[in-house]
Amino acid sequence: SQQGEEDPQALSIQEGENATMNCSYKTSINNLQWYRQNSGRGLVHLILIRSNEREKHSGRLRVTLDTSKKSSSLLITASRAADTASYFCATFWTDKLIFGTGTRLQVFP
Amino acid sequence: EPEVTQTPSHQVTQMGQEVILRCVPISNHLYFYWYRQILGQKVEFLVSFYNNEISEKSEIFDDQFSVERPDGSNFTLKIRSTKLEDSAMYFCASNKGASNQPQHFGDGTRLSIL
Repeated sequence: SQQGEEDPQALSIQEGENATMNCSYKTSINNLQWYRQNSGRGLVHLILIRSNEREKHSGRLRVTLDTSKKSSSLLITASRAADTASYFCATFWTDKLIFGTGTRLQVFP
Repeated sequence: EPEVTQTPSHQVTQMGQEVILRCVPISNHLYFYWYRQILGQKVEFLVSFYNNEISEKSEIFDDQFSVERPDGSNFTLKIRSTKLEDSAMYFCASNKGASNQPQHFGDGTRLSIL
């Protein structure tokens, strides 16, 4: 497989808590992207981090990238019930995205 | 905000029949993609398309699959003779440029092969 795993597979937290999801990959990358998928819907792009970047912020999202360890993490701060969804990392190389297995996040009000 | 739209939302087809899934990418985008997601599994790349030709395809995208951009707006995925294992959600995506640009996804077509 060209893509590694995400962990945890599932995460349940209370509103207001932070959620951290981790992603490992195996191939070279141009960039790494995080997507959200609500049940029965398409994937919504959250944030893109290039291979020469180490950290990026967007609103309540913080993404880190460690190319030496081939890993990335997504931190959602001050979570809300509306953040309940599956979150996927995806590496971009040549002309395609390779997705991880995803983390199912449940945020309880 | 412009969206990628896919039709139909759900397609039920008999095994062995041909099926065409349709997508209207965002109008100023140049790169087009198809992905699929079998229930409970990860999203898998099928094919990328640029300048009216396939730029990359996966092992899944065998001779039974084809893509076409018949006019300036539609992007279609055809499966010639469907198999039970083709049952999945099929997502179309597009972006302005291949690298360092996010891909914008449609809501998918759920394909059920009976």
